[in-house]
Amino acid sequence: DAKTTQPNSMESNEEEPVHLPCNHSTISGTDYIHWYRQLPSQGPEYVIHGLTSNVNNRMASLAIAEDRKSSTLILHRATLRDAAVYYCILRDHAGGTSYGKLTFGQGTILTVHP
Amino acid sequence: GAVVSQHPSRVICKSGTSVKIECRSLDFQATTMFWYRQFPKQSLMLMATSNEGSKATYEQGVEKDKFLINHASLTLSTLTVTSAHPEDSSFYICSARVPGLAERGTQYFGPGTRLTVL
Repeated sequence: DAKTTQPNSMESNEEEPVHLPCNHSTISGTDYIHWYRQLPSQGPEYVIHGLTSNVNNRMASLAIAEDRKSSTLILHRATLRDAAVYYCILRDHAGGTSYGKLTFGQGTILTVHP
Repeated sequence: GAVVSQHPSRVICKSGTSVKIECRSLDFQATTMFWYRQFPKQSLMLMATSNEGSKATYEQGVEKDKFLINHASLTLSTLTVTSAHPEDSSFYICSARVPGLAERGTQYFGPGTRLTVL
């Protein structure tokens, strides 16, 4: 599986934008970039995904570098409820019965200060 | 979004007993579900891929005879931890791949089950 590298932790203030970086220099041409987040004692929550173009949804924006070797998850206005572990994951596109499985790294612990 | 539930949310059992955890997709049919395990302060580790109507595919190092997976219907997968021991205490999380988004691998996760083996 292609690997991703994220900072261990980041901090933000409430209502300020947050940019969470992810490096994936060994990404292959058909790997999708997925972002999930996990609040304490809960299962992960899907945030956003993309392939080549930047993506926006109600939760966040995803900016993908032109060479696709890095991406940035953007929370436009952080709230206290955004405090979580954010995982950047490349989707395993291998075929067979495990098609589409996700491999989680350590993620980035985001702390949001009031 | 799609909803995945797990039951129970928390279970405490004695060493040597078996525990069954259910994972249900509430508003969609899931041909493929995944089971993860998460120890404190660690990331999720995929245990197995559960396919409706066929045998589960286990990740390397996961004992298939200890962690029994059954995916008998398109909305239910179960994980049974047999002869549980304290080292099996963990947070078990399931997920389901949503039809229509399968090509992009998006998964929806259950809330998790906290297993404590005494």
